[in-house]
Amino acid sequence: DVKVTQSSRYLVKRTGEKVFLECVQDMDHENMFWYRQDPGLGLRLIYFSYDVKMKEKGDIPEGYSVSREKKERFSLILESASTNQTSMYLCASSSPGLNNQPQHFGDGTRLSIL
Amino acid sequence: AQSVTQLGSHVSVSEGALVLLRCNYSSSVPPYLFWYVQYPNQGLQLLLKYTTGATLVKGINGFEAEFKKSETSFHLTKPSAHMSDAAEYFCAFGGATNKLIFGTGTLLAVQP
Repeated sequence: DVKVTQSSRYLVKRTGEKVFLECVQDMDHENMFWYRQDPGLGLRLIYFSYDVKMKEKGDIPEGYSVSREKKERFSLILESASTNQTSMYLCASSSPGLNNQPQHFGDGTRLSIL
Repeated sequence: AQSVTQLGSHVSVSEGALVLLRCNYSSSVPPYLFWYVQYPNQGLQLLLKYTTGATLVKGINGFEAEFKKSETSFHLTKPSAHMSDAAEYFCAFGGATNKLIFGTGTLLAVQP
């Protein structure tokens, strides 16, 4: 079974801090994704990557950046956290063929910015 | 523009009753369609997928979905609801773009 592991289940940070969310997958998947999930809005794509050192903006990239130095790891960075970034963050990975391959999700990180 | 719509943000059924969760999509290209389930405080888990071939797709936990091109629909059904089916369900669409588009979710409650 594919395992996608997010480093923290719950995280509390302060406004203005730089925040790192880490995600590791163990299935040698090329594609990795970061979403945020908010009630009534479903999942919104922040960034995705289909290869090491490759990244593409999703629908809501503002205020975020990502890093993919190794194939198995995809990090989401909040450069200067703000209260409107309080949310559930979900990482996912998939095999090549971006739009016809199922994505496998981690358990999420519930981030609170105070 | 490509999109996916889930009708009904909350659905409540009695244990043993039919479950029907609705999903419609908009696309000018053949779609790939998925249903995911999310239990409280967990990530999303794939229930089933339609890519090509048979339009009736069977998934895990007794769920199935039928792709109807003429109706641009991919509704999720289960003949008999169980208490453990209470969760949030997401329909997702993959089309010409290189990412999945998710619906806003349907929260299923199962009453004893």
